[in-house]
Amino acid sequence: AQSVTQPDIHITVSEGASLELRCNYSYGATPYLFWYVQSPGQGLQLLLKYFSGDTLVQGIKGFEAEFKRSQSSFNLRKPSVHWSDAAEYFCAVGPSSGGSYIPTFGRGTSLIVHP
Amino acid sequence: SAVISQKPSRDICQRGTSLTIQCQVDSQVTMMFWYRQQPGQSLTLIATANQGSEATYESGFVIDKFPISRPNLTFSTLTVSNMSPEDSSIYLCSVNNPQYFGPGTRLLVL
Repeated sequence: AQSVTQPDIHITVSEGASLELRCNYSYGATPYLFWYVQSPGQGLQLLLKYFSGDTLVQGIKGFEAEFKRSQSSFNLRKPSVHWSDAAEYFCAVGPSSGGSYIPTFGRGTSLIVHP
Repeated sequence: SAVISQKPSRDICQRGTSLTIQCQVDSQVTMMFWYRQQPGQSLTLIATANQGSEATYESGFVIDKFPISRPNLTFSTLTVSNMSPEDSSIYLCSVNNPQYFGPGTRLLVL
């Protein structure tokens, strides 16, 4: 069965600092991988996704993520955090077959940004 | 891209009552998905709704508790029946799963 682990429940960074949110997955084949952001009171917004090809994926809002098969990881990064990035971040893994990707979500990492 | 709206955005309900949540998409989609996000938790898929057929429920979710309608290719409803405080959650619909989510319905059951 597929699973996703986000080991950090909370992350606190200062505005302008770099950010890395960790995501480890368990899946028997090549997975589809996703990162979402949920701002307070909002739904989920897809930041980026990895299906195949280049293992460094660029997303919206200046985020990127790198797929490392050897480490079963798909960590999210941003070089300089803005106060508006404070939100909940979810990593998800889905099967790479079938017509619709039913993902398994991690428990989320809450990002706190200090001014 | 798809724009998804949900109604209501939030509600406070008494136990034993039912609430119907609406999901509207600005384009025609074959499949719509309903998720639950319990407080402090991640998302769990409740069911997949195809137009013209009965919804497919995930393990732990049953039609009597969460009946779903899918009358056309742009609209779906999820009803939370005979509510208890444990049903307090955010309910989200999704299309082109898992790329687009609605803003969610925040439900508090007293």
